[in-house]
Amino acid sequence: KNQVEQSPQSLIILEGKNCTLQCNYTVSPFSNLRWYKQDTGRGPVSLTIMTFSENTKSNGRYTATLDADTKQSSLHITASQLSDSASYICVVGLMDSNYQLIWGAGTKLIIKP
Amino acid sequence: DVKVTQSSRYLVKRTGEKVFLECVQDMDHENMFWYRQDPGLGLRLIYFSYDVKMKEKGDIPEGYSVSREKKERFSLILESASTNQTSMYLCASSRTGTLYEKLFFGSGTQLSVL
Repeated sequence: KNQVEQSPQSLIILEGKNCTLQCNYTVSPFSNLRWYKQDTGRGPVSLTIMTFSENTKSNGRYTATLDADTKQSSLHITASQLSDSASYICVVGLMDSNYQLIWGAGTKLIIKP
Repeated sequence: DVKVTQSSRYLVKRTGEKVFLECVQDMDHENMFWYRQDPGLGLRLIYFSYDVKMKEKGDIPEGYSVSREKKERFSLILESASTNQTSMYLCASSRTGTLYEKLFFGSGTQLSVL
């Protein structure tokens, strides 16, 4: 069964600190892996998209890594800001589908001043 | 910037009512999607459309129908609302297939069915 598991479920850190969110997937055939940020009460916003040949991608203070061999990805946030408080969702696309995405349940990140 | 607009942020309906959720995108995107989001679960695809008047069932189409009469507008219809359809509904669009394309989401409609 195609699944995306994220850890931790929730995380609280102090403003200015770094953090890393984890994503493990069992999805086949793999096409791409995405990270989305979802603020409370809003729709998700794309942060990064990586194909199997890419092992790192950055978007400002956000850096995503992908290990296609171990089927793991991480999202590293550097020098966190209060505006980083949100849910971060890992999503995997299937090679043989133009529309099917497997969504993780997300990690809820809270940044405290 | 792409804008995806959902007509209502909050909606309260009674069991058995017919419910229409509207979504409009302004970037001439080919594909439009309806998802529902429930606490502790990943987004689940209800329906998507890859062209005007074309639609495909997603993972959980039961109890829902859709309409795409114009390229920019995609409507989700709950024929007879039930309490288990209480959820956050998210509309999204993408330029072409989702294989490598970003999805752009609306702000969502929180639907409560009493």
